[in-house]
Amino acid sequence: AQSVTQLDSHVSVSEGTPVLLRCNYSSSYSPSLFWYVQHPNKGLQLLLKYTSAATLVKGINGFEAEFKKSETSFHLTKPSAHMSDAAEYFCVVSDHGSSNTGKLIFGQGTTLQVKP
Amino acid sequence: EAGVTQFPSHSVIEKGQTVTLRCDPISGHDNLYWYRRVMGKEIKFLLHFVKESKQDESGMPNNRFLAERTGGTYSTLKVQPAELEDSGVYFCASSQVIPSRGGELFFGEGSRLTVL
Repeated sequence: AQSVTQLDSHVSVSEGTPVLLRCNYSSSYSPSLFWYVQHPNKGLQLLLKYTSAATLVKGINGFEAEFKKSETSFHLTKPSAHMSDAAEYFCVVSDHGSSNTGKLIFGQGTTLQVKP
Repeated sequence: EAGVTQFPSHSVIEKGQTVTLRCDPISGHDNLYWYRRVMGKEIKFLLHFVKESKQDESGMPNNRFLAERTGGTYSTLKVQPAELEDSGVYFCASSQVIPSRGGELFFGEGSRLTVL
């Protein structure tokens, strides 16, 4: 069965410093992995996705993530945090248990705080 | 293009009452999903429609929950009778392609349900 673990429930950075949000996954299949972001009172928005192409995936707003099979990790990074990046971030794996499933498995979420 | 819309944005009901949540997906998206986040927990899959058919309802918690998608357009999720543990945020999403095949889910802003 697939699962995903976000290693930090809360991360605080200063504006202009790098962001690292950690995620480890478990999957019996070649996984599809995603990062979603939720700003307050907004819906979830896709930041980026990995679907077995390039291991370094670039997303919106300067975010990127690297798929590391040997470490079963898919950490999210950004070189320089902006105040508008403050939100909750979710690492997500697609359930490949059935080839036609639309089920996503979410991590617990990481709240990113950006200090001025 | 309109995104996924959900109604109501917030509902407060008493235990034992009935609530119906509605979701209008993005036009042309055959895949429609319901997810739920209860307080302090991760976002969890409830079910997946392909057009009007239930593709996967493995996440529905019990028979107090009934989801429909008549005509393959909008969907409703009814909770009857509501219990305290049903409180949470109910997200709807839609997609053209399922995520295990690289598709992107577009999420609504959620319907917050409070059961007193």
